Amino acid sequence: DTGVSQDPRHKITKRGQNVTFRCDPISEHNRLYWYRQTLGQGPEFLTYFQNEAQLEKSRLLSDRFSAERPKGSFSTLEIQRTEQGDSAMYLCASSSYMNTEAFFGQGTRLTVV
Amino acid sequence: QKEVEQNSGPLSVPEGAIASLNCTYSDRGSQSFFWYRQYSGKSPELIMFIYSNGDKEDGRFTAQLNKASQYVSLLIRDSQPSDSATYLCAVNHGGGSNYKLTFGKGTLLTVNP
Repeated sequence: DTGVSQDPRHKITKRGQNVTFRCDPISEHNRLYWYRQTLGQGPEFLTYFQNEAQLEKSRLLSDRFSAERPKGSFSTLEIQRTEQGDSAMYLCASSSYMNTEAFFGQGTRLTVV
Repeated sequence: QKEVEQNSGPLSVPEGAIASLNCTYSDRGSQSFFWYRQYSGKSPELIMFIYSNGDKEDGRFTAQLNKASQYVSLLIRDSQPSDSATYLCAVNHGGGSNYKLTFGKGTLLTVNP
């Protein structure tokens, strides 16, 4: 296992289109997190799963955003009707209850044109 | 609102010098504190975490925590050009192994050869 994997690494989309990102956590990790990072800012928490249950969502996660983790393994983050303000790096991280840290993936950079 | 504040920098130090990075946080209930390094265009990578008041050393890095002052710092000794990056301070309000983190905006460090 080489760590948290995110796909795609880069996505350019036109405003109004839907996009979906995938995150594969480290295999034994039961917790998965999505963050968003815009230029010049630190990552901002979006949502958190423990196994397949979505336990918390940030106010940043508008109704255009939806995240799933159907079998408690990989997760998807979908953005509907993208806006230019959605342009950011979307980061996924995972951890287990025994970890002292959360491990980040390489991120998906979204550009909405 | 739970906030984490960092001086955005840039902080410039000569090679071999000590770099001192500072962070303050607003939530007195915060239980664990993290320093991440982020190279341009890359995802954050954990340098150190600290839970208890005092100092924690790991190689060239020392994290310092003062909960009474709500202050966390990171010292980098014998700074190298490869240390040039943005350093993110992050706070875990919930404790335990839930890594819902609040990040600061980061401090850009430049180490000059």
